[in-house]
Amino acid sequence: GAGVSQSPSNKVTEKGKDVELRCDPISGHTALYWYRQSLGQGLEFLIYFQGNSAPDKSGLPSDRFSAERTGGSVSTLTIQRTQQEDSAVYLCASSWTAHYSGANVLTFGAGSRLTVL
Amino acid sequence: GESVGLHLPTLSVQEGDNSIINCAYSNSASDYFIWYKQESGKGPQFIIDIRSNMDKRQGQRVTVLLNKTVKHLSLQIAATQPGDSAVYFCAENRNNDMRFGAGTRLTVKP
Repeated sequence: GAGVSQSPSNKVTEKGKDVELRCDPISGHTALYWYRQSLGQGLEFLIYFQGNSAPDKSGLPSDRFSAERTGGSVSTLTIQRTQQEDSAVYLCASSWTAHYSGANVLTFGAGSRLTVL
Repeated sequence: GESVGLHLPTLSVQEGDNSIINCAYSNSASDYFIWYKQESGKGPQFIIDIRSNMDKRQGQRVTVLLNKTVKHLSLQIAATQPGDSAVYFCAENRNNDMRFGAGTRLTVKP
């Protein structure tokens, strides 16, 4: 597609329920990132996928969080047993791997706003 | 107006003035830096980038300065306009791993 698409754009759930957030990256982009942005805060890195390499999961805040990327394209971020502190905007971004090292412009989706009641 | 990045997350300037947004990055091995702009309700958008072998790069109304000695990055916006009101993030890249600073909220007063 023309841009990074995320769904749902808004999700309200009850504490303890599981949620899945979806990201469709730009076609051909090999790198995919998930970030979390709490109200008025900066971007907190969660997880990074690069091609067929093992993902960098170092930013996942707890074992309730997991993410998959199927076929090197679509990614799903799953939050199990949601807590109120999970309420945030979850942003997905994708990028090319440049021919020269270091250049990496991320294109972001509009985000999925999660509210845990 | 001038901010000190992570220690002053808000910056308010008059329309037409120049804005300077600062950012301290953490990793001396980072080789590429980007400034992003995030408007309310949207994802961050690319503004300008700079590689570590440069110390200055100019775009349309924006200039990025890089001081590797003190690991400092700044974004200068000339003749700030109301449409520049947003949160600005610096990001550092190392091995395609992009990490963001906390952001600075720029408010432009008419």
